[in-house]
Amino acid sequence: DTEVTQTPKHLVMGMTNKKSLKCEQHMGHRAMYWYKQKAKKPPELMFVYSYEKLSINESVPSRFSPECPNSSLLNLHLHALQPEDSALYLCASSQRTGTETYEQYFGPGTRLTVT
Amino acid sequence: AQSVTQLDSHVSVSEGTPVLLRCNYSSSYSPSLFWYVQHPNKGLQLLLKYTSAATLVKGINGFEAEFKKSETSFHLTKPSAHMSDAAEYFCVVSDLTGANNLFFGTGTRLTVIP
Repeated sequence: DTEVTQTPKHLVMGMTNKKSLKCEQHMGHRAMYWYKQKAKKPPELMFVYSYEKLSINESVPSRFSPECPNSSLLNLHLHALQPEDSALYLCASSQRTGTETYEQYFGPGTRLTVT
Repeated sequence: AQSVTQLDSHVSVSEGTPVLLRCNYSSSYSPSLFWYVQHPNKGLQLLLKYTSAATLVKGINGFEAEFKKSETSFHLTKPSAHMSDAAEYFCVVSDLTGANNLFFGTGTRLTVIP
């Protein structure tokens, strides 16, 4: 099973709301990723978790707060977002990070609209 | 530094005709390269990957790609396009410094005309 699941599929939130995005995989992968994808653009890396520890934060604003409670689950907590944060948020996982190449498996994404 | 350039932002083919999506890469060392496909409002699906084994890589759904070091290219081909192939295609190079970062091309939108 090479499935990464994400919930919710769609989310509309106001600029003062707090919400969370959830990502889950049961492939035994130890690396998980959050990407942001604007319309007609490639995905942009936001965060990388390796063995449940944050290893990369690509200068993402603090209104985005990732969390990796266990090896199967990845959350992205959202607070005080701006309309320009509206995008497709993709989660991915890979066997691990390292000097070998491990392909990343992507979830279907959460379409976020900030009003 | 790693990067990829997708030479066409949009390719249009007729159903049943061959598909060619072009990608050139730049890498400081022997790269790992991927092609991903994204159907509208969906996540990305891995089509195929090259990791320094055979230079001709076969993927899912009849797609294949050939790694040509002399031309720094990794073009994606398919002998006969299906309507279901209409999607956005991303050529991707992987960071081998330990972080497993992916560097995406800007994408090629494939349209298949019935």
